[in-house]
Amino acid sequence: AQSVSQHNHHVILSEAASLELGCNYSYGGTVNLFWYVQYPGQHLQLLLKYFSGDPLVKGIKGFEAEFIKSKFSFNLRKPSVQWSDTAEYFCAVTAIYNQGGKLIFGQGTELSVKP
Amino acid sequence: DAGITQSPRHKVTETGTPVTLRCHQTENHRYMYWYRQDPGHGLRLIHYSYGVKDTDKGEVSDGYSVSRSKTEDFLLTLESATSSQTSVYFCAISHSGGDTQYFGPGTRLTVL
Repeated sequence: AQSVSQHNHHVILSEAASLELGCNYSYGGTVNLFWYVQYPGQHLQLLLKYFSGDPLVKGIKGFEAEFIKSKFSFNLRKPSVQWSDTAEYFCAVTAIYNQGGKLIFGQGTELSVKP
Repeated sequence: DAGITQSPRHKVTETGTPVTLRCHQTENHRYMYWYRQDPGHGLRLIHYSYGVKDTDKGEVSDGYSVSRSKTEDFLLTLESATSSQTSVYFCAISHSGGDTQYFGPGTRLTVL
């Protein structure tokens, strides 16, 4: 069965620090990959996605992620975090030939940015 | 934001009572999904629909049923609510399977 693992449950950073959140998935076939963000009390919003092409994808708010197929990884990065980046971040994967496009989510990483 | 609304936004109910949550979209997307969000588990798929009257189970479907009689509406029913179904429920839509899913605002359900 597919699964997604996010390495860090809670990350605490100071403003201007660099961020890297790990995400690994288990599935041998072709996948679409997503990072979603959930600000406190809000719904999930798409940060970025990878379907094909350049494995380095850029998203909103200065986030980027790199797909490394050989490592089954899709890590999220941001060079300099802001207090407003405090949120929970979810990595998600769907197999492209999976009927229904069912998303499998990681358990989430809570990011706290100290001003 | 995609045109997705969920109702009610908050509900408190008692064990054993039936509960129906509604998801309504104005995007004419074919696919609709129900997830539940619990601490430490991320989001888990309950049921999804790939067209009117076409539905299938997700990974945590026990105790839940769904119906989709119109493209724009996807209903989630808890036939007899239990305390383990206390959660936040999110609806999502996508144009096609595997495509980006857009999420609604969520319904916080408490079963006492």
